Amino acid sequence: DAKTTQPNSMESNEEEPVHLPCNHSTISGTDYIHWYRQLPSQGPEYVIHGLTSNVNNRMASLAIAEDRKSSTLILHRATLRDAAVYYCILRERGADGLTFGKGTHLIIQP
Amino acid sequence: EAGVAQSPRYKIIEKRQSVAFWCNPISGHATLYWYQQILGQGPKLLIQFQNNGVVDDSQLPKDRFSAERLKGVDSTLKIQPAKLEDSAVYLCASSLQGYGTGELFFGEGSRLTVL
Repeated sequence: DAKTTQPNSMESNEEEPVHLPCNHSTISGTDYIHWYRQLPSQGPEYVIHGLTSNVNNRMASLAIAEDRKSSTLILHRATLRDAAVYYCILRERGADGLTFGKGTHLIIQP
Repeated sequence: EAGVAQSPRYKIIEKRQSVAFWCNPISGHATLYWYQQILGQGPKLLIQFQNNGVVDDSQLPKDRFSAERLKGVDSTLKIQPAKLEDSAVYLCASSLQGYGTGELFFGEGSRLTVL
């Protein structure tokens, strides 16, 4: 799996938007961009994924650069419950598993 | 819909003892994964099953770790003998059959402490 680079940690205030960056300069044309998050003492949970176009769901938005070498996960209005480690993962089309990096530890201040 | 069930949630053992973890995936999910997560790191894949066959066990330390998925449903991960460095959370996940975009559903994990 191609590698991703994320900041070790980020801090934001409650009820403000959060933009979590991810660099993946060696991404191939068949790699999907997946985001998972891991709340304290829980297993990871799916957030969102995309290939080329921006994506929205009830949890977040995913903005993908035109050259696909970077992406940003957007939490539109952070709550304390969004404090977690966020993982950006490249997953080749047809591949089953996920290869996790260290992720970004998101801290939300009240 | 019931999620991925794992037990036990916590286990403390002495080094050189053995331990087993159990996982019951979401009903109908053909693919099952075991991950190891050491404190401060992301999860690392140990083994992947498709139904009751092994798809990938390249990162499983086979001298001490074993896993099985009888009848293509429940799975058990065993460590024998345990080492100090095996202290970690063992996560089980499941997904519908493959194709690269399917969501993985994780259990809450089993936390192992080896003294």
